Amino acid sequence: GENVEQHPSTLSVQEGDSAVIKCTYSDSASNYFPWYKQELGKRPQLIIDIRSNVGEKKDQRIAVTLNKTAKHFSLHITETQPEDSAVYFCAATDSGYALNFGKGTSLLVTP
Amino acid sequence: DAGVIQSPRHEVTEMGQEVTLRCKPISGHNSLFWYRQTMMRGLELLIYFNNNVPIDDSGMPEDRFSAKMPNASFSTLKIQPSEPRDSAVYFCASSPGQSQYFGPGTRLTVT
Repeated sequence: GENVEQHPSTLSVQEGDSAVIKCTYSDSASNYFPWYKQELGKRPQLIIDIRSNVGEKKDQRIAVTLNKTAKHFSLHITETQPEDSAVYFCAATDSGYALNFGKGTSLLVTP
Repeated sequence: DAGVIQSPRHEVTEMGQEVTLRCKPISGHNSLFWYRQTMMRGLELLIYFNNNVPIDDSGMPEDRFSAKMPNASFSTLKIQPSEPRDSAVYFCASSPGQSQYFGPGTRLTVT
């Protein structure tokens, strides 16, 4: 089955700096890669996703890149703000149904 | 759109008791997922349904856990009998295709 690894497990940045979270996947058939943000005590929320026919997608301060050859994808957050502090999860799927989640990255943005 | 609805939001019960968690997916979504989240194990997929049919229940920990989806707008996850190690946050998510949208979760504490 699909195995998704996520790094780093924790990340601390200063407000205004950029943050990058990386994930690798094992199944070359995976074709959908979403990212979720989970604030403390809240539900995971879909913040951006990318499909395998696209190499990069951007939404304001958030961007995701995909390298199918290397089987890795990354989340980039620019101009970080304290409200970006949360746990971020990457996921991948080949089936169109079940998502395989990474273990999460705890991001702390310090003022 | 009210989003995915879960009830109860919090449940405290004694070991050995039956626990029933409920979920109403977003109208029009044809897939429904039950997850369990703990600090130790992260986000685990327990079972998912497509068009009310269980597709994969390999994540269900043991026979004490069961899930049903009698119609497109309702699903239950039952634990009988409950044990302290079942304490976790249980999320329901629904999907119209690949993107999944999570409910607010049920925090279960088994004493």
